Order: sequence, then C-alpha cells, then structure tokens
Amino acid sequence: DAGVTQSPTHLIKTRGQQVTLRCSPKSGHDTVSWYQQALGQGPQFIFQYYEEEERQRGNFPDRFSGHQFPNYSSELNVNALLLGDSALYLCASSLNPSTNEKLFFGSGTQLSVL
Amino acid sequence: QKEVEQNSGPLSVPEGAIASLNCTYSDRGSQSFFWYRQYSGKSPELIMSIYSNGDKEDGRFTAQLNKASQYVSLLIRDSQPSDSATYLCAVRISGGYNKLIFGAGTRLAVHP
Repeated sequence: DAGVTQSPTHLIKTRGQQVTLRCSPKSGHDTVSWYQQALGQGPQFIFQYYEEEERQRGNFPDRFSGHQFPNYSSELNVNALLLGDSALYLCASSLNPSTNEKLFFGSGTQLSVL
Repeated sequence: QKEVEQNSGPLSVPEGAIASLNCTYSDRGSQSFFWYRQYSGKSPELIMSIYSNGDKEDGRFTAQLNKASQYVSLLIRDSQPSDSATYLCAVRISGGYNKLIFGAGTRLAVHP
C-alpha cells in the first residue's frame, strides 16, 4: 500500500521563477492538503483540495495555486518566487475532508530559492 | 496571536526517563488533537491522536487532553536516544474540515 508520494525531493530555483510540486495521495484517499514548513517552524496550511476543487485556503498570497486531478493527485504551483518561499513543502492526504480522519504526510519537497 | 503554543526546547532528558511535552491551544471548539514526531530533515509522522478528555496510551506514549484548560500533553516513558526529534502538536480547528493548526514544535534530546 503506497503512502503519500511527492516529487521532486529537492529543488533549487532563483527569485522570480515559477515552480510546480507534485503529490500522489495514499491509496484510498481523496483529499489533499498542502503545507509549508519554514526552518524551525511548524507546518503552515496552504490549501486543501477535494473533488478537484479548492475547499479551504490558508493565509497565503495568490502566487500560490493548486490543482487536483481526477485520480486525486495534486500539484502546487508557486509563481514569482521570493527568497522567503524557501521551505519544506508537505503534502498530506486523507479521506473526505468532512470526516474525522488522520492526516498522513509525504516526505516533502525541499525548495531553495536563491 | 498563535493558536497552538509549545515550548521550543530543547528538552533534555536522560535515557530511561519520562519526557513530558506540553501544548496549549486557543480554539475552544477544537475536537481533535494530534502529536507528530519529526526527525531532522524528514516529514512529520503521526504518533498519537486524542479526541476525548483524559489519557490515551499507546506503547511508551501517553497523550493527555484537558479541554477545559485547553491543554494537551504527550508523555514518553523509558525515553530512548532514538526518540530524539521535534514533536509537533496539531489541532483540528472547529469548522475547518481537515485543516490542522500546528505548534512550532518542541525539540527533545535524549542523552545516554
């Protein structure tokens, strides 16, 4: 049973560039959430996708956008990268956002913006 | 205003001792509480969940919840050097579907 998988594992970009991160949820899960974790901080909620729609959004600018595909996988896009976007980006999957389900995290994508 | 607060540590305990990690939260309507363990450079791993007041035990781990005091804790008995990690407290906020709010984490160091 495959867990949550993310790609790539590491990424180096320069300011102003755009980046796309990918996530495949755990088998049987239909909801994907994205979190940003800066060094020394806890994960911060970016947004959540269910039924191919953004259901909730955290306090992140419009430069952060996402998508969910029919197979439940998801992408996180960040435009016009800033130095402050350097962080570990975590994808978490669960079953149905309205139920009391546990979140399981992928191994993350470490993004460095130079 | 932070919604979930933890002492950043480091909390240093000798091998075999009990480590006690604490967390407070501000949303009185929260119903679900989680402890994640995160090793350096790795992703968070769920180790405990608790939904009702009282204690919940799983192996060497015990989670304690007091909703009246808005307080949740994690006890690790017989601490091992392999328990050295950052422990993240997470709260599912009321009305927030499956959105978790995390504390900044407490770094635990277990020394031989």
